[in-house]
Amino acid sequence: QVQLAQSGAEVKAPGASVKVSCKAFGYAFLNFYMHWVRQVPGQGLEWIGLINPRGSGTTYAQKFQGRVTMTRDTSTSTMYLELSSLTSEDTAVYFCVRSSGTPGDYWGQGTLVTVSS
Amino acid sequence: DIQMTQSPSVMSASVGDRVTITCRASQAISHYLAWFQQKPGTVPKRLIFAVSTLQSGVPSRFSGGGSGTEFTLTISSLQPEDFATYFCLQHFSFPYTFGEGTKLEIK
Repeated sequence: QVQLAQSGAEVKAPGASVKVSCKAFGYAFLNFYMHWVRQVPGQGLEWIGLINPRGSGTTYAQKFQGRVTMTRDTSTSTMYLELSSLTSEDTAVYFCVRSSGTPGDYWGQGTLVTVSS
Repeated sequence: DIQMTQSPSVMSASVGDRVTITCRASQAISHYLAWFQQKPGTVPKRLIFAVSTLQSGVPSRFSGGGSGTEFTLTISSLQPEDFATYFCLQHFSFPYTFGEGTKLEIK
């Protein structure tokens, strides 16, 4: 069955970068866009951007432009989210979210990224 | 950016009640509207997409409606497992945006 398995929790210092992975199982990797969404614990959801696994085209929210990079490795069916110049405001759970036309039919389990000195 | 204003932010209701949650978009978003349910410590679950299409496996007591800029999620008869937080999502234009959430509590 479809599963999105994300990498484990990270603790980063302010100013550092973090790279989160999302490995896809159980479906044709190239056929579905992947979104990244984050959630500050106890708060709402924020869309970061998306990647087309065919050709790796990306669209990012303006808020993250310049410090976000989404990539994919088709040989391992894995998506990556890299976020740089981290601040405490980036402390959140990061989700990969598959899109079947509408985002959200499948979600990764989430990766907690904590930014702390 | 399209703002999604969700109301109410908190709602108290009883098992068996009919409840309606509203999302208002700052501009028309056609049918690009989905609803999600999230329980504490779990991943959001998609309930409805394209305004009113029920996700496979979701009970029929959930329904979605609306058009243009105003959309609703209705639960016809609340069950104990429905107490959760609900979010709407517009995917009409970038950046996609979520409503702030409605926490449905037991009265």
